[in-house]
Amino acid sequence: ETGVTQTPRHLVMGMTNKKSLKCEQHLGHNAMYWYKQSAKKPLELMFVYNFKEQTENNSVPSRFSPECPNSSHLFLHLHTLQPEDSALYLCASSQETSGSASGANVLTFGAGSRLTVL
Amino acid sequence: GQNIDQPTEMTATEGAIVQINCTYQTSGFNGLFWYQQHAGEAPTFLSYNVLDGLEEKGRFSSFLSRSKGYSYLLLKELQMKDSASYLCAVRDSNYQLIWGAGTKLIIKP
Repeated sequence: ETGVTQTPRHLVMGMTNKKSLKCEQHLGHNAMYWYKQSAKKPLELMFVYNFKEQTENNSVPSRFSPECPNSSHLFLHLHTLQPEDSALYLCASSQETSGSASGANVLTFGAGSRLTVL
Repeated sequence: GQNIDQPTEMTATEGAIVQINCTYQTSGFNGLFWYQQHAGEAPTFLSYNVLDGLEEKGRFSSFLSRSKGYSYLLLKELQMKDSASYLCAVRDSNYQLIWGAGTKLIIKP
């Protein structure tokens, strides 16, 4: 398999459930990201991992808990979510976390996990 | 604050040309990106501009004017498969990506 793979593609959960989203990349990249995509809104960066160390947490509520066991795998653990957390959760990877004036450091995205919180 | 503006939705005809604009106000500039996202699919990279001017890739071209805080994506010889959302993103002085809300492009026969 190549690219960035996310599972599950669709998830429906109640507010008291615990679930996890999984992301796997086969590109040899060193950085991985979680983004939230809501309709008609810009992508919101949630977490960044570089060489499996978390480098950013953009004021995300604690009901979202990331885990990066190695540089190829990324999880997003979900607990006691709210209906407003319903969105598409995108995982992405790139060669490194910060670019340079001479490098694009392009993000490769997965197809996302569509989450519905009832 | 930092802001990226792009039209919410555009409609164009198959075989025609369409230009999707993106204006930005950011803290510094380290490159501008365009991504394409078909419904239910992953955003995919289209282009990267860091210097002023036009970059051409087949039917798609991207233009940048840093002094005006402006870019556009030009799509020629439109095909039905070009129906998608087009996302503009700017990398700021801290190398953080600032995203626009995306432009949904509808192609009609």
